[in-house]
Amino acid sequence: NAGVTQTPKFQVLKTGQSMTLQCAQDMNHEYMSWYRQDPGMGLRLIHYSVGAGITDQGEVPNGYNVSRSTTEDFPLRLLSAAPSQTSVYFCASSPSGRTEQYFGPGTRLTVT
Amino acid sequence: ILNVEQSPQSLHVQEGDSTNFTCSFPSSNFYALHWYRWETAKSPEALFVMTLNGDEKKKGRISATLNTKEGYSYLYIKGSQPEDSATYLCASLQGGSARQLTFGSGTQLTVLP
Repeated sequence: NAGVTQTPKFQVLKTGQSMTLQCAQDMNHEYMSWYRQDPGMGLRLIHYSVGAGITDQGEVPNGYNVSRSTTEDFPLRLLSAAPSQTSVYFCASSPSGRTEQYFGPGTRLTVT
Repeated sequence: ILNVEQSPQSLHVQEGDSTNFTCSFPSSNFYALHWYRWETAKSPEALFVMTLNGDEKKKGRISATLNTKEGYSYLYIKGSQPEDSATYLCASLQGGSARQLTFGSGTQLTVLP
């Protein structure tokens, strides 16, 4: 099993550009989530999904969209990148929201 | 937005010392408390998930306790080693749907040889 994979590992965007961060898992987990990690602020939930076709907002959803067309994939879209979105993004999956989460390796995004 | 707080923010201990950290969370609508270990340049890895008041879990030299009535959890490390140096995160799962995990900002542990 590859576990949770994320691409790309690093990305630099200019303000206003859009892009998609990819996340995939091969563990047949129903629950997937996206977090951003900023210095001194721990992990903050952006969006999450409890199964294919179902998504919901977390603590900091503004500026991001998600979709869950399959169990395996949970892409995060930045619609119009802003410098405030410079962060490290982690995708995670688990059998349910009530069990331990497995994290991907992270994507370091810089918006200039 | 839940308030999950961890203390201390950072901690330096000598090799061989035992140490502990605190995680506090709202006691209402509690469902589960997670602990994760996060090494620099890696991803967080789960240590424990606890759900019942009075739960105690142990993995090697690391153990955790849970008090859901007063809303706190302790993580203990016995005989700290340099490889224990990491950030330790707790996260609380609460609410009727029990779907959103809220993380604290972590305790950064440095074990000095």
